[in-house]
Amino acid sequence: DGGITQSPKYLFRKEGQNVTLSCEQNLNHDAMYWYRQDPGQGLRLIYYSQIVNDFQKGDIAEGYSVSREKKESFPLTVTSAQKNPTAFYLCATRGLLNTEAFFGQGTRLTVV
Amino acid sequence: AQSVTQLGSHVSVSEGALVLLRCNYSSSVPPYLFWYVQYPNQGLQLLLKYTSAATLVKGINGFEAEFKKSETSFHLTKPSAHMSDAAEYFCAVDAGGTSYGKLTFGQGTILTVHP
Repeated sequence: DGGITQSPKYLFRKEGQNVTLSCEQNLNHDAMYWYRQDPGQGLRLIYYSQIVNDFQKGDIAEGYSVSREKKESFPLTVTSAQKNPTAFYLCATRGLLNTEAFFGQGTRLTVV
Repeated sequence: AQSVTQLGSHVSVSEGALVLLRCNYSSSVPPYLFWYVQYPNQGLQLLLKYTSAATLVKGINGFEAEFKKSETSFHLTKPSAHMSDAAEYFCAVDAGGTSYGKLTFGQGTILTVHP
């Protein structure tokens, strides 16, 4: 089954904890992206990576960290420094020959 | 900085009526433009895209959009709404150049379809 897999689908975090959201793809796409979605605000770019072992901050990187050790994987860590982490997180990929991004099914993170 | 404005956070139509979702963008260069659809608690699915070819773009599920550079608009239409069209729709722009691949999204429009 090809595509982008985000896990878990739902995640609960206690205040002060770090949590890591998984994004795996088997599309052989070079670029990967993390977006945050809040009601009425659209999607905002957190981090992106165009190539393995390299990544750049997006518009709202504070309180988040990423790694890109493998082409297939781009995990996002939500740290305790993120003041308002409750949101829907979407991972996306794009191949060199594509103009559009392809999205995973998302992870809904809730702070309890 | 680029921006995308979707006029109307909620649009309600009757089944069989015309669907019109508005999108305006700000970009100094010819952009790539996209419309995505999102069903509850799911990811985004591409409806259609403009990539500097034909200005009238046809997408999936009977949707189409027209790129109007003079108006900086990329409105989404469908002649006859179906109940299954009820979802949230996002317009997005990729300005290309050094920003290539980074999407700027509008705030979304929730489409409701009444029987």
